[in-house]
Amino acid sequence: AQSVTQLDSHVSVSEGTPVLLRCNYSSSYSPSLFWYVQHPNKGLQLLLKYTSAATLVKGINGFEAEFKKSETSFHLTKPSAHMSDAAEYFCVVSVITSGGSYIPTFGRGTSLIVHP
Amino acid sequence: DTEVTQTPKHLVMGMTNKKSLKCEQHMGHRAMYWYKQKAKKPPELMFVYSYEKLSINESVPSRFSPECPNSSLLNLHLHALQPEDSALYLCASSESTGGENYGYTFGSGTRLTVV
Repeated sequence: AQSVTQLDSHVSVSEGTPVLLRCNYSSSYSPSLFWYVQHPNKGLQLLLKYTSAATLVKGINGFEAEFKKSETSFHLTKPSAHMSDAAEYFCVVSVITSGGSYIPTFGRGTSLIVHP
Repeated sequence: DTEVTQTPKHLVMGMTNKKSLKCEQHMGHRAMYWYKQKAKKPPELMFVYSYEKLSINESVPSRFSPECPNSSLLNLHLHALQPEDSALYLCASSESTGGENYGYTFGSGTRLTVV
């Protein structure tokens, strides 16, 4: 069955330093993967998605992620953190149900803390 | 219009009240979802509607009753809730449930407090 594992519950960085949020997936084929961001008391916003067109995916706000099949990873990166990046980040995979529907399944989330 | 709109943004209700949450999208999406999110946790799937028919019910208690009156609108009717039902309720939509490549658009949620 497809699933995602977010390896860190919290990541703390200083403003201006690189960000790395880790996500590993489990799937028997190349799945569709997504990164979402949730600011406090807000809904979820799509940062980027991988759908097998290109392994390096660029998203909004300077974020990007690279799909690595050999490592079953889809880590989210940003060269330079900004204070406004402080939020909860979710790695999501589309999972097919027994009824043939695809539904989004979430990792546990990683809280990004940005220090001045 | 590329948004999912949820109303109300905040709701406080007593355990004997009946209230409804509303979700609306005008992107032509044919799949709509209700999620429940507790603090510091990922969203948990409650219901999925596909082409206005309920396709998935994740064993949600009957005090939560979903309704999809048309392809743009999704309601969640609430009755006799418990304090532990207090959470952020998120609505989402996608083009359909038939393909894994479709992205999911989320609303801002309704913050529900049961007193």
